[in-house]
Amino acid sequence: AQSVTQPDIHITVSEGASLELRCNYSYGATPYLFWYVQSPGQGLQLLLKYFSGDTLVQGIKGFEAEFKRSQSSFNLRKPSVHWSDAAEYFCAVGAEAGNMLTFGGGTRLMVKP
Amino acid sequence: GAGVSQSPSNKVTEKGKDVELRCDPISGHTALYWYRQSLGQGLEFLIYFQGNSAPDKSGLPSDRFSAERTGGSVSTLTIQRTQQEDSAVYLCASSLGPSGYTFGSGTRLTVV
Repeated sequence: AQSVTQPDIHITVSEGASLELRCNYSYGATPYLFWYVQSPGQGLQLLLKYFSGDTLVQGIKGFEAEFKRSQSSFNLRKPSVHWSDAAEYFCAVGAEAGNMLTFGGGTRLMVKP
Repeated sequence: GAGVSQSPSNKVTEKGKDVELRCDPISGHTALYWYRQSLGQGLEFLIYFQGNSAPDKSGLPSDRFSAERTGGSVSTLTIQRTQQEDSAVYLCASSLGPSGYTFGSGTRLTVV
């Protein structure tokens, strides 16, 4: 069975600083990997996804993520954080066949002015 | 429609009453999912539909929970004899193939 771990429950960064949110997955075959963002009171919005090919994927809002098979990781990065990035971030893994996604527990990002 | 629509957006109900939550997926999306998100928690999978059938009901927490999907489109999640621990945000998502979900904004259920 697939699983996702987001080791950091809360992260606080200063506005303008760089950001890296960690995600580790467990899956026996080639995973489909996703990052979602959830602003307060909202549903989840897809930031980016990885299926195959280039291991560095670009997403919306200036986010990127790198797939590292050797480390079973799919960390999310942003070079310069904006106050509006404060939200909860979820990493998810899906099977190559089928549609089911398994979500990590989420990382809550706070941005200091 | 253009997005996944959920109604109502907020629901306050008395303990012991039944509630129905509705999800209208993106037109043409064959898969539909229900998740529950309790305060400060991650996403708890409830049930998954492929077309009108539900190949995976493993996440339904008790027999008070049921869901159906008709016409391969709208889905209703029903909670009978609601309990305070049912208070949560219920999220619906739809997808077409393994390309990721599109989520609705959720229904916030409060049982008093």
